[in-house]
Amino acid sequence: GAGVSQSPRYKVAKRGQDVALRCDPISGHVSLFWYQQALGQGPEFLTYFQNEAQLDKSGLPSDRFFAERPEGSVSTLKIQRTQQEDSAVYLCASSLGSRGAYTYEQYFGPGTRLTVT
Amino acid sequence: AQRVTQPEKLLSVFKGAPVELKCNYSYSGSPELFWYVQYSRQRLQLLLRHISRESIKGFTADLNKGETSFHLKKPFAQEEDSAMYYCALSGRGGGSQGNLIFGKGTKLSVKP
Repeated sequence: GAGVSQSPRYKVAKRGQDVALRCDPISGHVSLFWYQQALGQGPEFLTYFQNEAQLDKSGLPSDRFFAERPEGSVSTLKIQRTQQEDSAVYLCASSLGSRGAYTYEQYFGPGTRLTVT
Repeated sequence: AQRVTQPEKLLSVFKGAPVELKCNYSYSGSPELFWYVQYSRQRLQLLLRHISRESIKGFTADLNKGETSFHLKKPFAQEEDSAMYYCALSGRGGGSQGNLIFGKGTKLSVKP
């Protein structure tokens, strides 16, 4: 079936604007991750959902960042009052979760490139 | 501290030459190690993981716990191997949620 999709693919926001980034995971995947990738860096973990429960938000850089997954499927990452340092590619990944000590492969979306001017 | 280090930002080799992309890690516990690859204009995808002990597209990687390394190797590089390679780790065990810690990546360029 279809892979992980993200929208929009590109977003330009003026400093101070709010933005919402959407992630459609692979159907049936219980785990959903958001990562932030700054230019020239590797992806950095932001937050993790198991179904609709946000189990880890330790990577969110400030309280301007908020994520939700209300029905355990589509997820939205919202950034309020955007700042220039928020400019990055935001990646979403989904997986079947884990079984015992085994964690299933994460499948990544194409990312949303956010530019804050 | 949990960290993945890829010392080379760019690695350039000629077609047919051996290639080794270095990865060292720091993790308090028993991690699982991965190599992800991103080809031009494509999304990030899993190349291999240490518990599978597979060879994918001719690439292999062996976990060396003594040296805390997980270097990626291929005996004969091909032009289509040109891509960005990321080493990553996650925790293992029932308490792990599986979020990945990535290195900064190494860009591999294979010249004809």
